[in-house]
Amino acid sequence: NAGVTQTPKFRILKIGQSMTLQCAQDMNHNYMYWYRQDPGMGLKLIYYSVGAGITDKGEVPNGYNVSRSTTEDFPLRLELAAPSQTSVYFCASSYAGSNTEAFFGQGTRLTVV
Amino acid sequence: GDSVTQMEGPVTLSEEAFLTINCTYTATGYPSLFWYVQYPGEGLQLLLKATKADDKGSNKGFEATYRKETTSFHLEKGSVQVSDSAVYFCALPSRDYKLSFGAGTTVTVRA
Repeated sequence: NAGVTQTPKFRILKIGQSMTLQCAQDMNHNYMYWYRQDPGMGLKLIYYSVGAGITDKGEVPNGYNVSRSTTEDFPLRLELAAPSQTSVYFCASSYAGSNTEAFFGQGTRLTVV
Repeated sequence: GDSVTQMEGPVTLSEEAFLTINCTYTATGYPSLFWYVQYPGEGLQLLLKATKADDKGSNKGFEATYRKETTSFHLEKGSVQVSDSAVYFCALPSRDYKLSFGAGTTVTVRA
């Protein structure tokens, strides 16, 4: 069972570079989420999507962008990377919104230097 | 807004000790409540949930009771094992489809 797959697992970026974090799920979930995890801060929602073609901002969207062209894929784009974006990024999906179980990928550890 | 406050860590225990992690919540209405666990190097996974007041969620020897009178959802396990070493997150859903997470409690169990 693949579940939620994130790539890459690790990445080092230089300040000002751009990259896309990939996320794919094979559970036919409509809801998908991007979180960032900083030490001692829990998880903060960056963006979420309630279905293909629909995205919305979460708590900390600045510096990021997303798209949702298919049910399966929900890539996160970082433009002009900054040291403040050093974090662990998790993609998640759920069948019917936040009141149902969320399934998480293994995370991407990003360092911006 | 809706939020959870979780006991600070880290917590270090010996095997077979009793574990409790406190979680209190602020919410309008009576949302479901969740505990998620993150094992080293992995993403979060659902540990247990409760959907209404007085519900008890349980899984892998862990339990938590949804108490509306104290707005709490404390996680407990009677006898921990080394394999329970992980980060534990309390969470509740908000109206706009997101989960609000506590800061996480790191638990280390020593043999």
